[in-house]
Amino acid sequence: DGGITQSPKYLFRKEGQNVTLSCEQNLNHDAMYWYRQDPGQGLRLIYYSQIVNDFQKGDIAEGYSVSREKKESFPLTVTSAQKNPTAFYLCASTPSSRSGGAPDTQYFGPGTRLTVL
Amino acid sequence: QKEVEQNSGPLSVPEGAIASLNCTYSDRGSQSFFWYRQYSGKSPELIMFIYSNGDKEDGRFTAQLNKASQYVSLLIRDSQPSDSATYLCAVISSNYQLIWGAGTKLIIKP
Repeated sequence: DGGITQSPKYLFRKEGQNVTLSCEQNLNHDAMYWYRQDPGQGLRLIYYSQIVNDFQKGDIAEGYSVSREKKESFPLTVTSAQKNPTAFYLCASTPSSRSGGAPDTQYFGPGTRLTVL
Repeated sequence: QKEVEQNSGPLSVPEGAIASLNCTYSDRGSQSFFWYRQYSGKSPELIMFIYSNGDKEDGRFTAQLNKASQYVSLLIRDSQPSDSATYLCAVISSNYQLIWGAGTKLIIKP
């Protein structure tokens, strides 16, 4: 089955720790995104990548880092510099015109809920 | 600052009635418009997208776009309890950014 997977589903972080959230897709999508969602709020863009080995900051990149070494994978690290990381983290991907699908449609993984202890 | 505005709700609709969800956007050059449904604790899923002025129907769902008035709406006919969710409006702006609204919580009362 094609899709986007995120792991873990739930993650607990102690103060001062870095944690990494996994996002993998087998949809052959070029572009991948990380969003943060706080209760009762919309999605805020953290980072995005349109091609392997390249990524750009979104609206709230401070305290986060990413890598895109493979087309299928776009892990997000929440560093100790992120002072309020408790949130629901969503990874998404978008098909390019070459891979088909409605252009610009975002396909989401199931999310990771991060809680700071 | 390009914005997408939605009434946060909750919007309460009786089962079987029509639910009407609205979204306004500030960038007149916006090009593409999306409605996503998000159940509590889950990730958003695409309901509909619309690019041109007018109506687009898919089953019980109809998206309506009025670029002159800068609004897009989603109508849900014959509302079911399973339609209870938060509906997110997303817009691709003139500079190709995807901008999300905060969502409208819809409650369908049996």
